[in-house]
Amino acid sequence: EDQVTQSPEALRLQEGESSSLNCSYTVSGLRGLFWYRQDPGKGPEFLFTLYSAGEEKEKERLKATLTKKESFLHITAPKPEDSATYLCAATNAGNMLTFGGGTRLMVKP
Amino acid sequence: SAVISQKPSRDICQRGTSLTIQCQVDSQVTMMFWYRQQPGQSLTLIATANQGSEATYESGFVIDKFPISRPNLTFSTLTVSNMSPEDSSIYLCSASGPSFGGAEAFFGQGTRLTVV
Repeated sequence: EDQVTQSPEALRLQEGESSSLNCSYTVSGLRGLFWYRQDPGKGPEFLFTLYSAGEEKEKERLKATLTKKESFLHITAPKPEDSATYLCAATNAGNMLTFGGGTRLMVKP
Repeated sequence: SAVISQKPSRDICQRGTSLTIQCQVDSQVTMMFWYRQQPGQSLTLIATANQGSEATYESGFVIDKFPISRPNLTFSTLTVSNMSPEDSSIYLCSASGPSFGGAEAFFGQGTRLTVV
């Protein structure tokens, strides 16, 4: 059975304090590893897709990386507007998407 | 990317009634999905909406409770039937397909359902 596990469940940072969110996965025939941002009361907003180990993607203060067992979402010098829940998900060979539990990020000014 | 419109955005319903949620995608898609998200929890897949055939339901979800339609490649509905307070949740529509450029799925804004 495919599994996606995110840690930590919650993370409090001061503005400007860089950190990383972790996503460990066990997926048969990984087709893609995805990161989403979700604000309260809204649907998940797509951020990145990673397809193979060693791949990296960047967008503003966010950088996503992928190894054969896990993915990291690095947040550099975060701002309060980066506060949200970040979801990791993976698609297997059968196109089934499995979500992790999410990391609630709070950035204080 | 894709624009996925979902309505209603929220509703308060009486127990025993049914609510139909609509999902419209701005381009033709191969796959459409319905998820449920309890407060503070991650997403749980209810079913895959298949165009021209019956939906494929995940363990714990049945067609009588959550009938799904998908009449074409851009539209789907989810009905929550004979509602109880335990059905209070956020329901999300999602779509993916080659027209989006990759394997990623995109989501609607969700329907916040409260059953009283």
